[in-house]
Amino acid sequence: DVKVTQSSRYLVKRTGEKVFLECVQDMDHENMFWYRQDPGLGLRLIYFSYDVKMKEKGDIPEGYSVSREKKERFSLILESASTNQTSMYLCASSLTGTGNPEQYFGPGTRLTVT
Amino acid sequence: RKEVEQDPGPFNVPEGATVAFNCTYSNSASQSFFWYRQDCRKEPKLLMSVYSSGNEDGRFTAQLNRASQYISLLIRDSKLSDSATYLCVVNFNDYKLSFGAGTTVTVRA
Repeated sequence: DVKVTQSSRYLVKRTGEKVFLECVQDMDHENMFWYRQDPGLGLRLIYFSYDVKMKEKGDIPEGYSVSREKKERFSLILESASTNQTSMYLCASSLTGTGNPEQYFGPGTRLTVT
Repeated sequence: RKEVEQDPGPFNVPEGATVAFNCTYSNSASQSFFWYRQDCRKEPKLLMSVYSSGNEDGRFTAQLNRASQYISLLIRDSKLSDSATYLCVVNFNDYKLSFGAGTTVTVRA
């Protein structure tokens, strides 16, 4: 079974703090993704990576950065957390080049910024 | 305009009923289509792919209409365990999936 794990299920941070969200997958997937999910808006793509050290902006990258130093690990960084970044953050991974873009998700991190 | 639009519901149905709902997508170059299921406070998981000819998986039937750019999901003989949010998902390149905001289905005893 594909397993995607995220470092925390719940996180509470203060405005202005630097926040690191970690994601690890164990299936040697090339692609990894960070989404945020908000009521009524669905999943919105923040950043994705199709290879080590490669990254691409998604639909809402402002206020976020990412790091992918190893194939299995993809980190999301909030440089200076703000209250409008309170959300559920979901990491996902997928294989490339198979014609099957199915994404496998981690359990999510519910981040609250106060 | 959102890339994928869904009726948010909720659809409240009794056990044993049939429930159906659609989603529409805006990019005519979209290549592949899926329904994901998301249980309350859980991550999304693939329910089924949607093929041009329509396809079934047990009590679930998915249809694709490329001309009108919509996808449908029908659930027959609803079970309590079918209560979830169903996400319509569209793909138009190798990596990126576009997700609808979801349709909530609640099956009552």
